[in-house]
Amino acid sequence: EVQLLESGGALVQPGGSLRLSCVASGFTFSTYGMTWVRQAPGKGLEWVSSIGGGGVSGGSSHHADSVKGRFTISRGNSKNTLYLQMNSLRTEDTALYYCAKGSSDWSRASLEYWGQGTLVTVSS
Amino acid sequence: QSVLTQPPSASGTPGQSVTISCSGGSSNIGRNTVNWYQQLPGTAPKFLLSSNNQRPSGVPDRFSGSKSGTSASLAISGLQSEDEADYYCAAWDDSLSGRVFGGGTKLTVL
Repeated sequence: EVQLLESGGALVQPGGSLRLSCVASGFTFSTYGMTWVRQAPGKGLEWVSSIGGGGVSGGSSHHADSVKGRFTISRGNSKNTLYLQMNSLRTEDTALYYCAKGSSDWSRASLEYWGQGTLVTVSS
Repeated sequence: QSVLTQPPSASGTPGQSVTISCSGGSSNIGRNTVNWYQQLPGTAPKFLLSSNNQRPSGVPDRFSGSKSGTSASLAISGLQSEDEADYYCAAWDDSLSGRVFGGGTKLTVL
C-alpha cells in the first residue's frame, strides 16, 4: 500500500525558513516523479514543485514562478524521502502542503497518490 | 487567476448526469494529457482519471473524461450524494514548464 507522510509544517515568521519532508513507502521511491502541491485556506490547489524519478539524486526539477528562487525540491532516495526547502517565506505561502506521487518517472505524470498534508503558517 | 478555467460550481439531482468543463490553451491542454482530481470535504485530493480515460482501480465508470483541442470535460452519470466534492482539472504547461490547475468546481448534489 502506497503511503505518503508529510511533516515539518509549522508557524514561522515572514522571511523565515522551513524544510518539509515526505516519507514514502509501498513503492520503489527512486523510480517515480514526486510533486508538492499546496492549498491555501478555503482556496484551490496550486502546484509548487516537481522532481523526476531515476538516477542517484532524481531527475530534473521544476518550480512554480511564485516560489522560484525561494523554494527547492529535492529527494533522498536512500531514505525514501522527498523534501521541500522553503526560504524567504511570505504570508501568501500559508497553506496546507501536499506531497504526491507521480504515475511514472516524469515530472509531468498524473499525481496518483497524495499524502494528508502538512500545514505551513507564515505570520508575525 | 488560474491558467485553466473551470466553472466555480455545478449541481444536479441524484441519478442525473453533469458535465464539468476545463478550458486552457495550446501549451497545456492542447498538447498534454488532462487529469482530474476529486477532493471530498475535509480530505486530501484523489486522482480520478485522465482525459484518455485512464483511471485508478476503484473509480466507477460513471466518471469519464474527454478532451478536444484546448478544452476538456469531466462527465459524471448517475449522480450520487457521495459525488459531492470539489473537482480540479490539471495539465502540464510546456510554456511555463510546470503543472497548472483549474480553479476547481464545487459539485452539489441537490
